[in-house]
Amino acid sequence: DGGITQSPKYLFRKEGQNVTLSCEQNLNHDAMYWYRQDPGQGLRLIYYSQIVNDFQKGDIAEGYSVSREKKESFPLTVTSAQKNPTAFYLCASMRGSGANVLTFGAGSRLTVL
Amino acid sequence: GQNIDQPTEMTATEGAIVQINCTYQTSGFNGLFWYQQHAGEAPTFLSYNVLDGLEEKGRFSSFLSRSKGYSYLLLKELQMKDSASYLCAVSRNDYKLSFGAGTTVTVRA
Repeated sequence: DGGITQSPKYLFRKEGQNVTLSCEQNLNHDAMYWYRQDPGQGLRLIYYSQIVNDFQKGDIAEGYSVSREKKESFPLTVTSAQKNPTAFYLCASMRGSGANVLTFGAGSRLTVL
Repeated sequence: GQNIDQPTEMTATEGAIVQINCTYQTSGFNGLFWYQQHAGEAPTFLSYNVLDGLEEKGRFSSFLSRSKGYSYLLLKELQMKDSASYLCAVSRNDYKLSFGAGTTVTVRA
């Protein structure tokens, strides 16, 4: 079955450590997205990529980095520069340009101790 | 930037109807989506409106008025499994999808 796989599902990290969240899709979608979800704030866009080797900052990119070396993969690194990294992180993909439907992964919950 | 406003919470009885309103202000409007999200899970697609009017899909319907920057999601014949958060999202011409904070619907027996 086609879909989006995020890992790990739960992650704990100490302050000052970088952590990378994995996102892989086998839907052959061109565009991929990273969102952060906090209670009462809805989903906020961190980074997005429309094609391989290209990506753009979203609304809250500070303290995060991404890469898009393969069409299937869009990993997100939460760096120590992110001041409040504890959140639920959702990866999504979309077929191509235009208002197509976003398909989401199951999410990764990051807790900073 | 854009504002997307929807109520925080709504409560209804099993078998009843609930209407969730969403207002938005944006440039380059390219469609409005509704997603359902159960606690701790990923959002799932419910409906999409790009033209004015009502789109019906089983027990769920969605309405859009572009001139008013207004949409609603109508849930009919409510079931307990409909208890979830409902997210209004606006798509723009730059392929970014922006979400409202979500409306938590609680269905009571």
